[in-house]
Amino acid sequence: AQSVTQLGSHVSVSEGALVLLRCNYSSSVPPYLFWYVQYPNQGLQLLLKYTSAATLVKGINGFEAEFKKSETSFHLTKPSAHMSDAAEYFCAVSDWNTGNQFYFGTGTSLTVIP
Amino acid sequence: NAGVTQTPKFRILKIGQSMTLQCTQDMNHNYMYWYRQDPGMGLKLIYYSVGAGITDKGEVPNGYNVSRSTTEDFPLRLELAAPSQTSVYFCASSYGAGASNYGYTFGSGTRLTVV
Repeated sequence: AQSVTQLGSHVSVSEGALVLLRCNYSSSVPPYLFWYVQYPNQGLQLLLKYTSAATLVKGINGFEAEFKKSETSFHLTKPSAHMSDAAEYFCAVSDWNTGNQFYFGTGTSLTVIP
Repeated sequence: NAGVTQTPKFRILKIGQSMTLQCTQDMNHNYMYWYRQDPGMGLKLIYYSVGAGITDKGEVPNGYNVSRSTTEDFPLRLELAAPSQTSVYFCASSYGAGASNYGYTFGSGTRLTVV
């Protein structure tokens, strides 16, 4: 079965600083990888997705992620944090064989300090 | 632009009671899913459906049942509610699987407390 590991359940950054949220996956076949964001009391929204095209994926709100097969990683970054980025972020993976089923990480809560 | 609609948003159940969580999508998605979200645990798949009349178990199906009589609706039934079912439940849908996987569209969730 697939699994996703998100290092750091809580990350704090200062406003304007770099955001780096880590995600590592386990997959024996090329996976589909996704980042979702969840604001308080809301459902999850898709930030970006990797589906075997370009390894650097750009998403909404200035976020991007890079697929690194050698490191089995898909870390999420944003050059300059904004107060509105404070939320819970989830990495998810599916693969060619089970593309209709996602496996989610346990989430990383991002706090932005003014 | 309704997307995925879940009702109710909040519910308190007593132990042993039953209820149905409703989920409707208006995007003509074939794939639909039910997840539960517990603090620090991420999302766990309860049941999913790849089309009307077809359902299958996910990672944590015990204590739940589903049906899929139409493309639009995917209700989740809780029989004999237990405190362990206290959670936030999310319904989601997607256009396709495999190479056509565009990710999920989520509903806004149902917060269920069993006392």
